[in-house]
Amino acid sequence: DGGITQSPKYLFRKEGQNVTLSCEQNLNHDAMYWYRQDPGQGLRLIYYSQIVNDFQKGDIAEGYSVSREKKESFPLTVTSAQKNPTAFYLCATMGQHYEQYFGPGTRLTVT
Amino acid sequence: AQSVTQPDIHITVSEGASLELRCNYSYGATPYLFWYVQSPGQGLQLLLKYFSGDTLVQGIKGFEAEFKRSQSSFNLRKPSVHWSDAAEYFCAVGAHKWNSGYSTLTFGKGTMLLVSP
Repeated sequence: DGGITQSPKYLFRKEGQNVTLSCEQNLNHDAMYWYRQDPGQGLRLIYYSQIVNDFQKGDIAEGYSVSREKKESFPLTVTSAQKNPTAFYLCATMGQHYEQYFGPGTRLTVT
Repeated sequence: AQSVTQPDIHITVSEGASLELRCNYSYGATPYLFWYVQSPGQGLQLLLKYFSGDTLVQGIKGFEAEFKRSQSSFNLRKPSVHWSDAAEYFCAVGAHKWNSGYSTLTFGKGTMLLVSP
């Protein structure tokens, strides 16, 4: 089945720890995206990548880092510098006409 | 820069009644427009998209949307709502950044649809 997988679905961390969220796709799409979703705020773009070894900061990149070593994978690290890391994180790819396809999301809780 | 406004945060509709969710966008060129649906704790699912041609587009689950350039709107409609349609709905506009070669979507803040019996 073609699609996007995100793991884990729920993640709990202590404050001060870095944590990495996984995103894998087998749609053969070049572009990949990370969003953060908070209640009432819609989706906010964290980072995006058009090709391997290249990525761009989105609107709220501070406290986050990414890598794109393989076309299929775009992991997101939430660092201890992120002030409010508790949120729902969504990974997406982009098709031919700008449409985006989303993974199931990871809910991160930091205490 | 592009922007999307969904003026209604919540809407309640009786089961079987018709539905219209509003979306207004701001974008300099011909827009690529989308509607997505999200159930609690899930990812977003693409309902329909417009990028050219017929201004009335059909999507999945019986939804349709009409692009009106003069009103900068892309409202989502369904003739008869089912209880399973209760979810959050997002409108989005796509843009290509020619200087960087990247394409992004800008999302509205969403409209929560509640369906009453």
